[in-house]
Amino acid sequence: NAGVTQTPKFQVLKTGQSMTLQCAQDMNHEYMSWYRQDPGMGLRLIHYSVGAGITDQGEVPNGYNVSRSTTEDFPLRLLSAAPSQTSVYFCASSYSLQGGGDTQYFGPGTRLTVL
Amino acid sequence: QQQVKQSPQSLIVQKGGIPIINCAYENTAFDYFPWYQQFPGKGPALLIAIRPDVSEKKEGRFTISFNKSAKQFSLHIMDSQPGDSATYFCAASGSGGFKTIFGAGTRLFVKA
Repeated sequence: NAGVTQTPKFQVLKTGQSMTLQCAQDMNHEYMSWYRQDPGMGLRLIHYSVGAGITDQGEVPNGYNVSRSTTEDFPLRLLSAAPSQTSVYFCASSYSLQGGGDTQYFGPGTRLTVL
Repeated sequence: QQQVKQSPQSLIVQKGGIPIINCAYENTAFDYFPWYQQFPGKGPALLIAIRPDVSEKKEGRFTISFNKSAKQFSLHIMDSQPGDSATYFCAASGSGGFKTIFGAGTRLFVKA
């Protein structure tokens, strides 16, 4: 199993550009999420999905869109990039959200810089 | 009520020392408390986790201590090694759809 994969590893954007961060998992997990990691702020939840066709907002959703057409894929779209979106982005998956106690498996991350 | 407060922000110990990282939460609905370990350039990975029905859990050199009444939990690393140098995140989540909330992280450096 490849686990959780993310592409690209690095990306530089100009303010106003749009792009999609890709995330895929091959563990047949129901639950997938996107986090951003900023120094001194831990991991903050952007959006999450509890299954194909179902998504919801996390703590910091503004400026980001998601969709979940398949169990495996959960792309994150930046609509109009801003310097405040410079961060490291992690995708994670877990078997389910039931009981709140499932291990989350993280991808290797995408380091995004917005100029 | 959704915050998880983690301290210290950074920690330097000698090899063989016992670093301790502390976390506190407010929401009593949280019922699962994992610790994640992250090496530079990698994603976080689950290290150890505890539920509030026990006060301590050990896995190898890693121990979680849990104080339900104080709403605090901590990670102890016994006989720390340079390979333990990483960032450690505590987290909390709960049944009923309470999503995982992460602490701010602690950067640990173990000197050889």
